[in-house]
Amino acid sequence: AQSVTQPDIHITVSEGASLELRCNYSYGATPYLFWYVQSPGQGLQLLLKYFSGDTLVQGIKGFEAEFKRSQSSFNLRKPSVHWSDAAEYFCAVGARNNQGGKLIFGQGTELSVKP
Amino acid sequence: DTGVSQDPRHKITKRGQNVTFRCDPISEHNRLYWYRQTLGQGPEFLTYFQNEAQLEKSRLLSDRFSAERPKGSFSTLEIQRTEQGDSAMYLCASSFGPPNTEAFFGQGTRLTVV
Repeated sequence: AQSVTQPDIHITVSEGASLELRCNYSYGATPYLFWYVQSPGQGLQLLLKYFSGDTLVQGIKGFEAEFKRSQSSFNLRKPSVHWSDAAEYFCAVGARNNQGGKLIFGQGTELSVKP
Repeated sequence: DTGVSQDPRHKITKRGQNVTFRCDPISEHNRLYWYRQTLGQGPEFLTYFQNEAQLEKSRLLSDRFSAERPKGSFSTLEIQRTEQGDSAMYLCASSFGPPNTEAFFGQGTRLTVV
């Protein structure tokens, strides 16, 4: 069965520091890969997605993610975190053979930013 | 376009009561999804519509749950005989075009069953 693991439930970084959020997936083939962000009381906003091609993808708000097939990982990175980045981050996968486009989400990583 | 709209934003109900939530997707989006999110967890897929047809349902969707999208526009999710375990955030999302194009999420309806 497909699954997504985000090993870190909560991460705290200092403003201006770099950030890496981990995501590992279990799937028989290369899925579609997504990162979403959710601020308190808000819906999910897409940060970036990987379908094919270049394994380093750029997203909004200065985020990037790298797909590593050998590690079944899709880690999210940002070189310098801003206080406004404090939120919950979700990694998700979509099956290439699923015509519906449903997503399977990880349990999320809550990011706190210290001044 | 104002995005995906969900109503109500919050609902408190007594156990055993029926509740209905509404989702208005982005206009012309042919795909509509319902997800459930419990505290500390990621969203879990419930069901999916393409236009008015309900094409996929999760095993999470028990017989007490029913969803409709009568004219291929707005959708409703009804929970009958609510249980405390139904307390969660119910998220609606919509997208247009091929599968796995970006899904836009609403702000959700938070259900509390007391």
